[in-house]
Order: sequence, then structure tokens, then C-alpha cells
Amino acid sequence: DQQVKQNSPSLSVQEGRISILNCDYTNSMFDYFLWYKKYPAEGPTFLISISSIKDKNEDGRFTVFLNKSAKHLSLHIVPSQPGDSAVYFCAASELDNDMRFGAGTRLTVKP
Amino acid sequence: SQTIHQWPATLVQPVGSPLSLECTVEGTSNPNLYWYRQAAGRGLQLLFYSVGIGQISSEVPQNLSASRPQDRQFILSSKKLLLSDSGFYLCAWSGLQETQYFGPGTRLLVL
Repeated sequence: DQQVKQNSPSLSVQEGRISILNCDYTNSMFDYFLWYKKYPAEGPTFLISISSIKDKNEDGRFTVFLNKSAKHLSLHIVPSQPGDSAVYFCAASELDNDMRFGAGTRLTVKP
Repeated sequence: SQTIHQWPATLVQPVGSPLSLECTVEGTSNPNLYWYRQAAGRGLQLLFYSVGIGQISSEVPQNLSASRPQDRQFILSSKKLLLSDSGFYLCAWSGLQETQYFGPGTRLLVL
């Protein structure tokens, strides 16, 4: 069963604009959510996270929003830069247990 | 449709014992295969990846090894487990695109 879903396999954005990556989940017990970034030939690296007690967490150009009622979270990157081009994975975990990952969204930021 | 399996789901092993974790993929051929470990602080550490049968690349020198005896089978092994090998191990596959599909994971506890 796929508890974490990223329905958009790819996204293309112009440099300087906002990138919005979306993620949906089905398990209402998830209490911690993470975004990872992956460059080619490398493993995913941690980017930003949010606890279920919050609805927003910001770190520089990256902001994660959590809508618990909709079981939806999103990652906003603003302004987008060409170096942000990568695959972004959404992940979720329950009570500090093992993570469940989405399939990823490939972001391309065009100069 | 493609599916990825990992087993066992959980495993408790004594220090010094051998390890074999198996990952198989269905519904696709010639996938790229990956072994990850969930590192401290919610990080995700790439251990091994394989682009074909018998082709294994190691990212981190460690007590573990990987093998790919068949196109859709990826095995993580150890001859002698250490306490530090405890963790959550994820297998993943990818096709031509870079989106990765993760398995359900194996929780390993070394005592």
C-alpha cells in the first residue's frame, strides 16, 4: 500500500519563480513529515521537516506547509534557482518509527 | 504495475551473526536498485546501488555487502553484524527516470 503519494512525476519552473511540490498521505497517524532532495548518482539528502503540531515550517527559501485535514503537505521554493533542479522526495513517519516515502517529483528550474 | 518487496519486515540478531536482507522487484526489467539506511537525525544514507546483474557500487565502506544475483533481486549481507548495524534499511528501484520507488523497509536490531 502506498501511504505517501507524489502524483506529479515532474515539474518545470522558470528561475526566480515559485516551485510548489505536493505530497498526499493516507495514514492519519503520521506525525512527522520530511522532504529530501536527490541529485543524480547520489542518495537523497534531508532538506526540511515539519511536525504534525505545526502547519508551517520555514528555512530560507524553503517552506513546508502541512494541511492535516486534507492529509496534504507541500514544499515551496522561492525564488527557484537552477541549482534546485533535482528529484524531491516526500516522506512521513509515525511516532518516530520508520519512514514511508513518495516516489519523488523531478523539478527542473530553467534559467 | 510494479511492486517492490522486502523481507523480513523486522529482524533481531545477535552481534557477530550473519545477515541477509532480500529485496525483489516485480513488473519491470533491468531496474536500478538501491540499498539505503535511515541514519541518525532522519537522514537517509545510500549504501549500495546497482545498474545491472553483478554490478554493485558501494557508497560507504562498512561492514555490509550487496549482491545482485538476478535482474530483479538485490541482497544486503553481512558476515558478522555489529551493534552499529542496527537501523532501518530501505530498498528502492528506479527506471530510466530518476523517481525512486521505495520498499516497505526492514527494521534490524542487533543485540
